[in-house]
Amino acid sequence: KAGVTQTPRYLIKTRGQQVTLSCSPISGHRSVSWYQQTPGQGLQFLFEYFSETQRNKGNFPGRFSGRQFSNSRSEMNVSTLELGDSALYLCASSLNPGQGVAEAFFGQGTRLTVV
Amino acid sequence: AQSVTQLGSHVSVSEGALVLLRCNYSSSVPPYLFWYVQYPNQGLQLLLKYTTGATLVKGINGFEAEFKKSETSFHLTKPSAHMSDAAEYFCAVKGAGSYQLTFGKGTKLSVIP
Repeated sequence: KAGVTQTPRYLIKTRGQQVTLSCSPISGHRSVSWYQQTPGQGLQFLFEYFSETQRNKGNFPGRFSGRQFSNSRSEMNVSTLELGDSALYLCASSLNPGQGVAEAFFGQGTRLTVV
Repeated sequence: AQSVTQLGSHVSVSEGALVLLRCNYSSSVPPYLFWYVQYPNQGLQLLLKYTTGATLVKGINGFEAEFKKSETSFHLTKPSAHMSDAAEYFCAVKGAGSYQLTFGKGTKLSVIP
């Protein structure tokens, strides 16, 4: 069974630009979550989608947005990039984390560098 | 609300020695607890999880953790460290009915030959 696939693996963008990151969950998983990982703040929850609906959102500005498609693939978008947005962005998929303990499986991440 | 505290951002052990990584949590609802491992430039891999029932949980690669409700702890142990265990370890908590994981700051484990 293929794991969680994130593309691209590495990205370099300039301040003020926007970026779109993609995540393909494990087949059959309908929940996709996004996390930002930085040395200073650690792992922080961005948002979670299930069946194309955002169910939960972390404490991030509106420049961070996401969506989920009918095939459960998800994208996140960051507009007007700032230097502080440089981070490893991790996507996780699970069956349905709100019901019982559906463990999250993580992709390898997208390393975003803003210059 | 949930939070996780991992004591020690860096831990060094000799090869063959006991590994003990500490994790304390707070949760307003019954928690589900996890340990993840991250190798450089990689995502997170699940080592083990506690749901309900047996408080001693065995995971992959010889790791285990014990859930102690009275101490709100979920420490990770391995009897004998191997060089391949060098990585960063994250403890995480999820409340029942919650959709998100709350992570600790991580503990970087070094194994000295």
